[in-house]
Amino acid sequence: GEEVAQTPKHLVRGEGQKAKLYCAPIKGHSYVFWYQQVLKNEFKFLISFQNENVFDETGMPKERFSAKCLPNSPCSLEIQATKLEDSAVYFCASSYRGSPYNEQFFGPGTRLTVL
Amino acid sequence: KQEVTQIPAALSVPEGENLVLNCSFTDSAIYNLQWFRQDPGKGLTSLLLIQSSQREQTSGRLNASLDKSSGRSTLYIAASQPGDSATYLCAVPISSGNTPLVFGKGTRLSVIA
Repeated sequence: GEEVAQTPKHLVRGEGQKAKLYCAPIKGHSYVFWYQQVLKNEFKFLISFQNENVFDETGMPKERFSAKCLPNSPCSLEIQATKLEDSAVYFCASSYRGSPYNEQFFGPGTRLTVL
Repeated sequence: KQEVTQIPAALSVPEGENLVLNCSFTDSAIYNLQWFRQDPGKGLTSLLLIQSSQREQTSGRLNASLDKSSGRSTLYIAASQPGDSATYLCAVPISSGNTPLVFGKGTRLSVIA
């Protein structure tokens, strides 16, 4: 597609439940990034992929967060045993191989609310 | 560690006014700088990307400038309209290649009709 697609738009989970978010990058883009936007517009980088391979996972809270990008499937971000502080908007972005451009195109986000 | 700051945090102007939003970054060795727009409850729309070798980029009523040596970028909006009301964010990649972006906290712009 011509736009980054994210589903669902909203997700509500009780504390301790699992949450799974999906992202379909722009066709032809080989890099996928996940960001978490919390209050006051703070963006936190979580993880990036080059095709199906983890490229950079320095921002990932590994104990409860996991992510995958499998061939011919949307990428996913999964949170096991959600906590209140996981409430945020999760954005996916994609870019094409072509340093130094690195222009990232963002999806509409998934708003996760943990009650 | 790269840090990005945007001033002011909020700005309210009457319709028709020209305005400037500021972005500063601590490490001048950037590879590009990207300006985004975010409407309430919405995603990020890329407005302009300035490569490190460029000094400015223009798109319609928007003009972004880059001064790497001083660690600054400005976004100039001409003849502002109520539809320009949104949060404007600037971001720079942490290094070359397809690397994560470091974002400022944005400037929330309100254009009053």
